[in-house]
Amino acid sequence: AQKITQTQPGMFVQEKEAVTLDCTYDTSDQSYGLFWYKQPSSGEMIFLIYQGSYDEQNATEGRYSLNFQKARKSANLVISASQLGDSAMYFCAMREDFGGTSYGKLTFGQGTILTVHP
Amino acid sequence: ETGVTQTPRHLVMGMTNKKSLKCEQHLGHNAMYWYKQSAKKPLELMFVYNFKEQTENNSVPSRFSPECPNSSHLFLHLHTLQPEDSALYLCASSHVLGVQETQYFGPGTRLLVL
Repeated sequence: AQKITQTQPGMFVQEKEAVTLDCTYDTSDQSYGLFWYKQPSSGEMIFLIYQGSYDEQNATEGRYSLNFQKARKSANLVISASQLGDSAMYFCAMREDFGGTSYGKLTFGQGTILTVHP
Repeated sequence: ETGVTQTPRHLVMGMTNKKSLKCEQHLGHNAMYWYKQSAKKPLELMFVYNFKEQTENNSVPSRFSPECPNSSHLFLHLHTLQPEDSALYLCASSHVLGVQETQYFGPGTRLLVL
C-alpha cells in the first residue's frame, strides 16, 4: 500500500477562491510528521506547512491551513484566497519515527497540479 | 548566498561522461539529502548524510557516488549514466530533530543523459 496518497492529479480554482488538496497517509507509527511542499515550474521544493501527529490544533501558516483528521489518516491542505502565483505542483509528505531510526526519511505523494484561473 | 544552492542548474551529458553535482547549504544544518525526481514518479530519496556520515543509501546504483566533505557541502558524482537517469536531482538539508524536522530544498539540477 502507498504510504502517501494524493488522489487529485490536477485541480482548478478561480482566483480569490479557496481550494482543498487531498492527502491520505498510511502508518503504524504513533509519532509522525506531515508536510506540504509547493513546487513551481522552476523546480524548487518550497516548504509550506507542518503538522505533528500529537498536535491537537490544525496547523496554519498565513493562507495555508492543514485539515488534520487523525482517525481518518488525512491531512488536507487548504489554500484560502488563491492567487495566480499559487499555480504549481503540491506534494504531501510524511516523516515516520521508526523508533528514532528514520534518519530523515521523507515519503512523498505523487503530487497535485493546481492551476489558478484569473 | 542563502538557503540551499545547487550547481549546475542544467546538465547534459553523454553516457560515457563523468560529472559532479554540487550542493551547498547556508542554514547551519547537520543533515543533507539527495533526491531524484523523474517524470510521473514521486520523489525518491537517494542518500542521507547526518553529521557528514552516510546513514542511508536507498539501493542506488553505484554509478551514483555521493560525497559529503563537511556538513555544508554535498556532492553527487556521476559516471556511465543511462538515459533513464535523466531527471531533476534535488538536494535538501535539515536539522536532525526527529519527526518535526523540516527539510529545505535547493532549486535542483535538471540532468539529461544522451
